[in-house]
Amino acid sequence: EAQVTQNPRYLITVTGKKLTVTCSQNMNHEYMSWYRQDPGLGLRQIYYSMNVEVTDKGDVPEGYKVSRKEKRNFPLILESPSPNQTSLYFCASARRRGEKLFFGSGTQLSVL
Amino acid sequence: DAKTTQPTSMDCAEGRAANLPCNHSTISGNEYVYWYRQIHSQGPQYIIHGLKNNETNEMASLIITEDRKSSTLILPHATLRDTAVYYCIVRGFNTNAGKSTFGDGTTLTVKP
Repeated sequence: EAQVTQNPRYLITVTGKKLTVTCSQNMNHEYMSWYRQDPGLGLRQIYYSMNVEVTDKGDVPEGYKVSRKEKRNFPLILESPSPNQTSLYFCASARRRGEKLFFGSGTQLSVL
Repeated sequence: DAKTTQPTSMDCAEGRAANLPCNHSTISGNEYVYWYRQIHSQGPQYIIHGLKNNETNEMASLIITEDRKSSTLILPHATLRDTAVYYCIVRGFNTNAGKSTFGDGTTLTVKP
């Protein structure tokens, strides 16, 4: 089944403890992207990747890192999480930039 | 990508057509209009997209005005399960197509 898989689904952590949220797609898509969603603020783009080894900042990249070493994986790294990064995170992929997006099920992160 | 404007909320009676408007007055010639919906806190789901012709699929119809500055998503026979947040976004294939901005969307409530 074609899908975007995020893990974990829920994560509670403490300030400053590095964490990684994984994202994997099995559709051979070139484009991948991370979003965060906070109440009343819609979906805001964090980082995106046009292809392997090509990443770029979205609208809210501060405090996040990403890597795209393989086509299928696009992990989101929080080196030193802070409470203001408590949010619902979504990973998405598309066959190419500009085409329809397929979203993962989301990761609810709480930073205490 | 061009910015979009949608009403914050709309109601619709079950079984009636739901017509959701979207303004995208700065859309450029190679940009598509995409519609997604998000039920509760699930990942957004693709509904339909179009360039300049009207489109229809098993989920909905998309009507784009001749000047392409606005569009309407039509759910022909709304059900309670169509209650969701609907996002209209514009995406293209230009050099800046990696960015994708989701606004706040329209919260559609289908009432019995």
